[in-house]
Amino acid sequence: QSVLTQPPSASGTPGQWVTMSCSGSSSDIGNNPVNWYQHLPGTAPKLLIFSNDLRPSGVPDRFSASKSGTSASLAISGLQSEDEADYYCAAWGGSLNGWVFGGGTRLTVL
Amino acid sequence: QVQLVESGGGAVQPGGSLRLSCVASGFTFSDNGMHWVRQAPGKGLAWVAFIRYDGSHKYYADSVKGRFTISRDNSKNTLHLQMNSLRAEDTAVYHCARDEGIGYYMDVWGKGTTVTVSS
Repeated sequence: QSVLTQPPSASGTPGQWVTMSCSGSSSDIGNNPVNWYQHLPGTAPKLLIFSNDLRPSGVPDRFSASKSGTSASLAISGLQSEDEADYYCAAWGGSLNGWVFGGGTRLTVL
Repeated sequence: QVQLVESGGGAVQPGGSLRLSCVASGFTFSDNGMHWVRQAPGKGLAWVAFIRYDGSHKYYADSVKGRFTISRDNSKNTLHLQMNSLRAEDTAVYHCARDEGIGYYMDVWGKGTTVTVSS
């Protein structure tokens, strides 16, 4: 069972805007930055968002994220077929828990 | 370009041992902490272990503490994970990942190596 809570699935049609949530506690998200990863099984996970809302170079600005209290969310605008993947939120959970992940949200582009 | 390549996975019986390796290239390996993260079949990503850039500090998930040992050889740009007393629940794809250094996140990942623990 993952420390951070994410909905198991999300879907949208090409061009749509879709969001996915990530819920934690004061031990993790509430006091530490949230990071998001995109993962296609069989490949290397890719850093999508770091420090709550910053995009590494090369990540399209269609991807955005925010954090409020003990929750965070990832938004994808102008959905494309290549966005179909698993999306994970993660944060430092303190010395007791180490780095914690959500269970992942599988995004389907219909 | 920055690259991490894992190896050493395979099939092993419960109670057995395995040693994973991760070779880094494209950056100064000794500048960064490194992680192991795994993904069990049908499950999400789960952090396993972390080692500081100089090997001075190591941290483990409770699920592997006392059984797994993370280490590194900065002269060979290589990260290791020694896995002992393996259990069926250790079956997973194991990824190594570079720690960004300041912000407590992994910024570069490898494709992973598969470990199967089964009798």
